[in-house]
Parts: sequence; C-alpha cells; structure tokens
Amino acid sequence: GENVEQHPSTLSVQEGDSAVIKCTYSDSASNYFPWYKQELGKRPQLIIDIRSNVGEKKDQRIAVTLNKTAKHFSLHITETQPEDSAVYFCAASNSGYSTLTFGKGTMLLVSP
Amino acid sequence: GAVVSQHPSRVICKSGTSVKIECRSLDFQATTMFWYRQFPKKSLMLMATSNEGSKATYEQGVEKDKFLINHASLTLSTLTVTSAHPEDSSFYICSARKPPGQGGYGYTFGSGTRLTVV
Repeated sequence: GENVEQHPSTLSVQEGDSAVIKCTYSDSASNYFPWYKQELGKRPQLIIDIRSNVGEKKDQRIAVTLNKTAKHFSLHITETQPEDSAVYFCAASNSGYSTLTFGKGTMLLVSP
Repeated sequence: GAVVSQHPSRVICKSGTSVKIECRSLDFQATTMFWYRQFPKKSLMLMATSNEGSKATYEQGVEKDKFLINHASLTLSTLTVTSAHPEDSSFYICSARKPPGQGGYGYTFGSGTRLTVV
C-alpha cells in the first residue's frame, strides 16, 4: 500500500518568513495530493491540492509543487502569519473513491 | 460546496457501554465514507471504508466487531464503538467525497467526535 513520509514534524518561523513542508510517497499509481490544515480539536480543512498532471499550483500565499519522478511534493507558504499556526497534513491517493493516506503531520508555529 | 456533518461532537460514556457516532453528507450523496481515528498530536489513521449498501472494509488491526459501521443510506454512515473501554478514548472523524458526477472535488471531513470513556 501507499506510504507517505512528511518532514519536518515541527517548524517554527517568524512572521513574514516562508515555510516549506515536504512529503514523499511510495505508490507510483497515486495521482491526487491534497494538503490539509488542522487546528487544535477541529476538523482538517483542505487548503490546496494537486493532481499528477500538474507540476505546480498556487493559491495566494500557498503553493504546492509535485515531482512525479522523485515521488515528492511540497507545500510552500509565503509571508506567514500567526494564524497560519496549525498542524499541516499531506496526503496521497489514487483518484476516485480510493482512500487517502496521510503523512504524520507538521506542526507549524508562526511567531509574531 | 460539500458539507459533512458529524454528531455528537463530544461524548463521555462509561466503560462497557456502546456509543454511536453519525456522519451525514448534507448536500450530496456519498456511496463511500471513511472513518478515521486520531490520537493527540498524531496523524489521522484510517479505520475503515464505509460502503453504502454493503459491508465496510476494515484496515488491518481494526476490530470489526468492536467498531461497527453501518452505511444504510447514501447520506448517512454510523460508527458504533461497542463495549467501550478507556483505551478507545480518542478523536473519531469521518470524511466523504462529493462524486465528480455531482460536481465534487476533494475530500471533506466531519467536525469530529471526541470520545472519552471513563
């Protein structure tokens, strides 16, 4: 089955800095890669996703890049703000109704 | 959008009793829903895939007699934790995906249920 590795487990940045979270996956058949943000005690919220036919996708301060050959994808947050502080999860799946396999999460702390 | 409602948000029960958690897709029909368990400061671990009208598919190591899943309609899946014990205390969360045929994109999560067994 799919295995998703996520690094780092904790990331501390100053407000205004950029943050990068990296994930690798093992199943070459995976073709859908979402990123979720989860605040304490709340549900994960989809913040951006990318499909395997695209190498990069951007939405305001958030971008995701995908390298299919190397089987890794990354989340980039620019101009970080304290409200970006949360746990971020990457995930991978085969499209359709297949299950999502999650990375272990990255706790992002943005200091004012 | 795709809205998934989960109830209850919090429940405290006595050891040995059973607890039912409901997951509803409010604005779409979900033939498949997923149940996850999350320990504090840990990732989401898939417990089972709930299939409308058929048996759920459980992940390795998850006791199907302990965690009963019923997906009797296209908008409702339930997870029943039977004979709950303190080690079953956790955050349980469901998710579903609005089918492409209904304009769907991506997986949506319920709000989660914090189960505490005393």
